[in-house]
Amino acid sequence: EAQVTQNPRYLITVTGKKLTVTCSQNMNHEYMSWYRQDPGLGLRQIYYSMNVEVTDKGDVPEGYKVSRKEKRNFPLILESPSPNQTSLYFCASSAGHSTGELFFGEGSRLTVL
Amino acid sequence: GQQLNQSPQSMFIQEGEDVSMNCTSSSIFNTWLWYKQEPGEGPVLLIALYKAGELTSNGRLTAQFGITRKDSFLNISASIPSDVGIYFCAGQEGAGGGADGLTFGKGTHLIIQP
Repeated sequence: EAQVTQNPRYLITVTGKKLTVTCSQNMNHEYMSWYRQDPGLGLRQIYYSMNVEVTDKGDVPEGYKVSRKEKRNFPLILESPSPNQTSLYFCASSAGHSTGELFFGEGSRLTVL
Repeated sequence: GQQLNQSPQSMFIQEGEDVSMNCTSSSIFNTWLWYKQEPGEGPVLLIALYKAGELTSNGRLTAQFGITRKDSFLNISASIPSDVGIYFCAGQEGAGGGADGLTFGKGTHLIIQP
């Protein structure tokens, strides 16, 4: 089954404790992206990747890092989480950078205390 | 990034009613897409539009790519309980170039009253 898998689905952590949200897709997609969803603000892009070893900032990259060492994986790293990073995070992928037809993961709800 | 104005923010309707929502932009987009997000899940693509004036249906859903390329609408006919969710529009800039040029609207919450 074609899917985008995120882990963990739920996490409560404390300020400053580094964490990584993993994302993996099994569709051999070139393009992957991270979004955060906040009430009243919709979906905002954090980082995206056109292919292996190619990453770029989205609209709200501050406080986040990403890496794309393999085609299938695109982890989101919060080096020193802060309460304003409490949010619902979505990873997404698409077949090529020429399409906006994204497949989304189920989301990771992060709470930073 | 670009700004998309999606309206209405929320809709409270009775089962069986038709639904209409739209997105407008001050910029031209080459692609318009509509996604639906159900509670506890990620957004799922409903309809993609690639040509100005294009009208596309997917079951009870119909979406149109505005002729000015600055707007799009989504209609749902004869709503049913499983239509509940958040509907997002998204516009993509460039000549088919890059999901990185994708901008999402803030969503329309559809609530169906029994």
